[in-house]
Amino acid sequence: DGGITQSPKYLFRKEGQNVTLSCEQNLNHDAMYWYRQDPGQGLRLIYYSQIVNDFQKGDIAEGYSVSREKKESFPLTVTSAQKNPTAFYLCDSSIGRNSGNTIYFGEGSWLTVV
Amino acid sequence: KQEVTQIPAALSVPEGENLVLNCSFTDSAIYNLQWFRQDPGKGLTSLLLIQSSQREQTSGRLNASLDKSSGRSTLYIAASQPGDSATYLCAVHSGGGADGLTFGKGTHLIIQP
Repeated sequence: DGGITQSPKYLFRKEGQNVTLSCEQNLNHDAMYWYRQDPGQGLRLIYYSQIVNDFQKGDIAEGYSVSREKKESFPLTVTSAQKNPTAFYLCDSSIGRNSGNTIYFGEGSWLTVV
Repeated sequence: KQEVTQIPAALSVPEGENLVLNCSFTDSAIYNLQWFRQDPGKGLTSLLLIQSSQREQTSGRLNASLDKSSGRSTLYIAASQPGDSATYLCAVHSGGGADGLTFGKGTHLIIQP
């Protein structure tokens, strides 16, 4: 079945360490997005990519990095520069925002700093 | 800048009741509005998408309406069931900005058996 997969579900990061969250989709979607969700808050956009080999900063990109080498994959790296990384991270994909098509989300990844 | 507000933040009702969740937005120049459901510790599942030219959309016991001029949308849930317990978020696509989507903080719904 087609879908979007995030891994790992739970991840622990030590101080000063970089970690990478995976987001893979087999829906043949061009657009992929990363959000951060803090308790009781809405989603905030970190990075997005509307096509392979291209990506743009969102509202809270500092301390994060991404790549889009393949259409199916949009990994997010949380760097040591991100001072408050503990959060729930969500990835989504769609044909494109302006098309008004349904947005598909992954199951999310919990990141905790230890 | 678009702002999306959802009221109430939390709601608890007995099973079987009909209920309404509210979403308001400050800029009426939108492309569409989408309602999502989020179970604890999970991703978001799309429930209904309403284009700016539409007034409402229905799926099973769910009905979403849109009044673009007043900046409001409602999600109506008929004959609520304990399985409806979740957080419901609305997201507005305004165009412009990084991706044009602005999310509300959600309404945490509990249906009492």
